[in-house]
Amino acid sequence: DTGVSQDPRHKITKRGQNVTFRCDPISEHNRLYWYRQTLGQGPEFLTYFQNEAQLEKSRLLSDRFSAERPKGSFSTLEIQRTEQGDSAMYLCASTEAGGPPGELFFGEGSRLTVL
Amino acid sequence: QKEVEQDPGPLSVPEGAIVSLNCTYSNSAFQYFMWYRQYSRKGPELLMYTYSSGNKEDGRFTAQVDKSSKYISLFIRDSQPSDSATYLCAISGKSRGGNKLTFGTGTQLKVEL
Repeated sequence: DTGVSQDPRHKITKRGQNVTFRCDPISEHNRLYWYRQTLGQGPEFLTYFQNEAQLEKSRLLSDRFSAERPKGSFSTLEIQRTEQGDSAMYLCASTEAGGPPGELFFGEGSRLTVL
Repeated sequence: QKEVEQDPGPLSVPEGAIVSLNCTYSNSAFQYFMWYRQYSRKGPELLMYTYSSGNKEDGRFTAQVDKSSKYISLFIRDSQPSDSATYLCAISGKSRGGNKLTFGTGTQLKVEL
């Protein structure tokens, strides 16, 4: 299966610690997205890369959040000094430029629990 | 006001029923309309997309868009227990964000035997 892969699937951490999530997109996809989903809500856009360039960031992405995609392949999302409000599912999605506008391929997500 | 409003449910129907799921949106600039399905503890998967007013059919699923009233619907015919999932409407417009989607809250559907 060559779908979008995310790691770790579940992370439990204490408030104030740093966490990092990794996303490996579908290999030929040059666009990569991060979304956050809390219980009972739909996914919310965080940020978007085309190749290695970060083209857009949501206001939801505070200074404690940083995302990178150094070689235009995998991406990391780091959260520094975690807070309980950061507890959520972090979803990565990829697509290829020129594909159908609404078509994203999502991974299974990384669930963060901040104690 | 949220950009996309969706009744969260839960919605419980018997097997074989016709299911109607709905969303409204506020910004007429949105041009692309999608329905995603999300099973428990999984990522969303694209079910259907449409770019214009009217109906689009795919097997047991029909997506309907009414741009004049900013209303989108998904109909599921002959519903099956395997259709039990959360259904998310999503909308998008032309922007630098490429496929940046705005999702509804999702409607949780349970199809019972």
